[in-house]
Amino acid sequence: SQQGEEDPQALSIQEGENATMNCSYKTSINNLQWYRQNSGRGLVHLILIRSNEREKHSGRLRVTLDTSKKSSSLLITASRAADTASYFCAVTPKAAGNKLTFGGGTRVLVKP
Amino acid sequence: EAQVTQNPRYLITVTGKKLTVTCSQNMNHEYMSWYRQDPGLGLRQIYYSMNVEVTDKGDVPEGYKVSRKEKRNFPLILESPSPNQTSLYFCASSLFLGHESYEQYFGPGTRLTVT
Repeated sequence: SQQGEEDPQALSIQEGENATMNCSYKTSINNLQWYRQNSGRGLVHLILIRSNEREKHSGRLRVTLDTSKKSSSLLITASRAADTASYFCAVTPKAAGNKLTFGGGTRVLVKP
Repeated sequence: EAQVTQNPRYLITVTGKKLTVTCSQNMNHEYMSWYRQDPGLGLRQIYYSMNVEVTDKGDVPEGYKVSRKEKRNFPLILESPSPNQTSLYFCASSLFLGHESYEQYFGPGTRLTVT
């Protein structure tokens, strides 16, 4: 079963608005990562947040991690049409080495 | 340029005809992995390798083989493809230093259709 589950499954917003998506998982983790995938293409790494971190920023991206609730959120601020993509969270369970387990993804459409 | 390459990018084949999808990375990464992506099922790991001559099964290894004879290459072999292996396949690589895990770099994908 998938460790990471994203919510919502799909999101449609206007350019300039913020987009927030959430990820829940089931077990203890070493870290959680967010990836972006443009239609049918390879995944691109966005942010890695370790289990002892609570928040991380990268440009217009903000990721939070709450290990007590086993959840994470990804916020994209001031969205652009180029942010249209699917976003996946992936967790590395403890004692799982480098293994990533992906959620089903959130499809984000940013309308110009 | 740091990258993961896969070949072929598209492949249509028939049931039972052996095929190999190649994967190569130029970042000297220890860790390499194969995933398949199917609608509604997300990405699932097929096989992974933590270094040369070290490979292990992922979540969906049935019907696949891999080898890691050189650090940069990690081919995926389908000895006898079946229609349920029609999917989008991704190779990925990353550093691997003991207990830590790192971002994975993905190839562009191989879309396989088995008729």
